Amino acid sequence: EVQLVESGGGLVQPGGSLRLSCAASGFTFSRYWINWVRQAPGKGLVWVSHINSDGSSTTYADSVRGRFTISRDNAKNTLYLQMNSLRAEDTAVYYCARGGYDSGSYYYDYWGQGTLVTVSS
Amino acid sequence: DIQMTQSPSSLSASVGDRVTMTCRASQSISSYLNWYQQRPGKAPNLLIYAASSLQSGVPSRFSGGGSGTDFTLTISSLQPEDFATYYCHQSYGTPYTFGQGTKLEIK
Repeated sequence: EVQLVESGGGLVQPGGSLRLSCAASGFTFSRYWINWVRQAPGKGLVWVSHINSDGSSTTYADSVRGRFTISRDNAKNTLYLQMNSLRAEDTAVYYCARGGYDSGSYYYDYWGQGTLVTVSS
Repeated sequence: DIQMTQSPSSLSASVGDRVTMTCRASQSISSYLNWYQQRPGKAPNLLIYAASSLQSGVPSRFSGGGSGTDFTLTISSLQPEDFATYYCHQSYGTPYTFGQGTKLEIK
């Protein structure tokens, strides 16, 4: 069974840092692109970042570029998101999601349960 | 960025009803359109990919259609567990953007 389990969320002051983790199991982690998607309270879904299967290529949303860093450890089947210079508007549930590809379309076929990040003084 | 606009924002219906919701892209995205269902307090769940392909394990009452800029998600006969929020998502160009969601509520 494919599982993605996020951890590392919590309360942090503006300007602070946090590192999220996403532990994967039930599939060959090193073969898949993985994504971070966030959802502010009561709001919709927003893609944050993705990383390719071997970690050599990363992409970020404009809103987090330069502050967030995505990485992965394929030996540990774990994805990370280092978040620095956090702002109130980064408050959200952060989901990791596995990337799938079929019929020319890229999609998120498995999601973790999410971890809540709250940025507040 | 490609803007995705869903309509309506909310929809009231009854068990057994047939419902259709739409998603419009700000430019042509071919068939690179996915649909997700999100129940309250839960992670999203992939329903449809590539505009009309049903994800494994998803009930056949869900169907998707469209291409270019206009897309639909249809539920043929609503079940109690279908009351949720539905998001479209384009994967034609980065950043891969979502619609704002259509909340399906019980009438």
